Amino acid sequence: DTAVSQTPKYLVTQMGNDKSIKCEQNLGHDTMYWYKQDSKKFLKIMFSYNNKELIINETVPNRFSPKSPDKAHLNLHINSLELGDSAVYFCASKEGHTGELFFGEGSRLTVL
Amino acid sequence: AQKITQTQPGMFVQEKEAVTLDCTYDTSDPSYGLFWYKQPSSGEMIFLIYQGSYDQQNATEGRYSLNFQKARKSANLVISASQLGDSAMYFCAVQRDTGRRALTFGSGTRLQVQP
Repeated sequence: DTAVSQTPKYLVTQMGNDKSIKCEQNLGHDTMYWYKQDSKKFLKIMFSYNNKELIINETVPNRFSPKSPDKAHLNLHINSLELGDSAVYFCASKEGHTGELFFGEGSRLTVL
Repeated sequence: AQKITQTQPGMFVQEKEAVTLDCTYDTSDPSYGLFWYKQPSSGEMIFLIYQGSYDQQNATEGRYSLNFQKARKSANLVISASQLGDSAMYFCAVQRDTGRRALTFGSGTRLQVQP
């Protein structure tokens, strides 16, 4: 069983469209994250939820809206996509003791 | 705010040799965790090793060891007996020890192992 799974793995879309990326973890962790990895491989935190509660919201445009229906799921919805949104988006969940992050495989978003 | 610096954008190492990937960090927190992750060309993020700031001994995991020098705020990753499969991006990360903080990552080092 995949510990942290993201869908879709690849997403190609036109500017101005709205898209969603789903994430699910079966590790029983309370905290989940969305990271963005740009073309230079830099990883930046976007959001964090703890047990469905938003606890970290970095300076991300309002077009990005995370939703956590339960503690095992953290979805990312993006409105009015722009070229600069092209990146790999990683979902992760955190093990409570050491703080180790378990990452999904990443979702590569390409905006044309 | 925390800052992580990986000064080596790219490194080469011969197969079977050891290599050290540098990482320095800047945090004022008294307690924190240090992590290294590997990202091969396939893209997944693989956890390698963890060091707590109060751990007395350097962490080791198989061929990976962490050279932790707290006073210098450095947490270098040492890979012994390099293998071709070690070719990847390597990221250092730090986390405040308050439970809810996210990992802050460095810019990464691309390691290439040559036969």
